[in-house]
Amino acid sequence: NAGVTQTPKFRVLKTGQSMTLLCAQDMNHEYMYWYRQDPGMGLRLIHYSVGEGTTAKGEVPDGYNVSRLKKQNFLLGLESAAPSQTSVYFCASSNPGVHTGELFFGEGSRLTVL
Amino acid sequence: GQNIDQPTEMTATEGAIVQINCTYQTSGFNGLFWYQQHAGEAPTFLSYNVLDGLEEKGRFSSFLSRSKGYSYLLLKELQMKDSASYLCAFMDSNYQLIWGAGTKLIIKP
Repeated sequence: NAGVTQTPKFRVLKTGQSMTLLCAQDMNHEYMYWYRQDPGMGLRLIHYSVGEGTTAKGEVPDGYNVSRLKKQNFLLGLESAAPSQTSVYFCASSNPGVHTGELFFGEGSRLTVL
Repeated sequence: GQNIDQPTEMTATEGAIVQINCTYQTSGFNGLFWYQQHAGEAPTFLSYNVLDGLEEKGRFSSFLSRSKGYSYLLLKELQMKDSASYLCAFMDSNYQLIWGAGTKLIIKP
């Protein structure tokens, strides 16, 4: 069982470059999330989606865009990367209701912006 | 406002018991969650409390006091593999998770 899969696992970008992180889940979950994790800080929500075709801003959405064209996929885009976006990015999924907070995470994508 | 706090690091001995505390402040509350995260890996769900009291799951137990804005994770019979960060998070009135920075637990033989 794959669960939640993120690609790529590692990436180095130069300031101003663009890239897309792909997240795929095979658990038929309705909700999907993109978080970033930085040293000394809690996970911070970037964007999330409560269903196919819908997205919403989280706590730190600036500099990122997302799309959820298919239920199983959630893409995170950086249009013009900045050094402040150096971080570990986690995708997660869950279902609505009592299990909403039981998130299943991907392995993470480590992004460095030079 | 909302905030959540947990110790940055704790050290314990193999075979012993350790309690990791978490305090939070929020106007809307829909549950308290604990996750485990080994270094370089993804967080994995451990427990969920929405009512006051203790929830036991094997060697791990989680406690919640909503009136005090307080939770703890109790780990018994510590094993070396329990060395990890433990993340506390509460679900707010918008059903969003607000995460603590995590407690790094170091287990010594």
